Amino acid sequence: LAKTTQPISMDSYEGQEVNITCSHNNIATNDYITWYQQFPSQGPRFIIQGYKTKVTNEVASLFIPADRKSSTLSLPRVSLSDTAVYYCLVGTMDTGRRALTFGSGTRLQVQP
Amino acid sequence: EAQVTQNPRYLITVTGKKLTVTCSQNMNHEYMSWYRQDPGLGLRQIYYSMNVEVTDKGDVPEGYKVSRKEKRNFPLILESPSPNQTSLYFCASSSTGTEYQETQYFGPGTRLLVL
Repeated sequence: LAKTTQPISMDSYEGQEVNITCSHNNIATNDYITWYQQFPSQGPRFIIQGYKTKVTNEVASLFIPADRKSSTLSLPRVSLSDTAVYYCLVGTMDTGRRALTFGSGTRLQVQP
Repeated sequence: EAQVTQNPRYLITVTGKKLTVTCSQNMNHEYMSWYRQDPGLGLRQIYYSMNVEVTDKGDVPEGYKVSRKEKRNFPLILESPSPNQTSLYFCASSSTGTEYQETQYFGPGTRLLVL
């Protein structure tokens, strides 16, 4: 299983773009990268997922370089409601045994 | 509405008194999993199940049991709870198709206090 490393915390202001990087040096060929958001006392919520290059949806973008040893979650123009913990997750869809492991998470604090 | 439900949401118990936390999903997902969340440790997987009657250990399985007799249900059993199992527990489910893309849907959480 690929272990992930993220910054423990980040601070930002409303309206700024926030980039959170996750390292996963031991990512396997069949592994994909997923980011989740978690508010206090709630279950994590899916944000975005990718395998390589760039993925964009209505809330975020995910940048994955060619070597796939890291990934960057980009949140455009954050607001106060984006204050949460963000988890980077690396897992595989191989059939058979599988156990998904969350990273330590990055606590994002958005200030007015 | 697609959802994962957990019961109870809050539970206070005493050491050694067996308890079960239920988890149910209505999305016909094959994969289900239990996590615990503790301050400073993030989410750690306890057990997971690829399908009915197929379960396996995650990162922290000691002191827990699970069963998967029906596709929709995945109860977490603490045969003899101890104070170090005081935690916030989350159940999650997802489909296991051939595509690599997958989304895990999480329940609302069960906060357990073992005295």
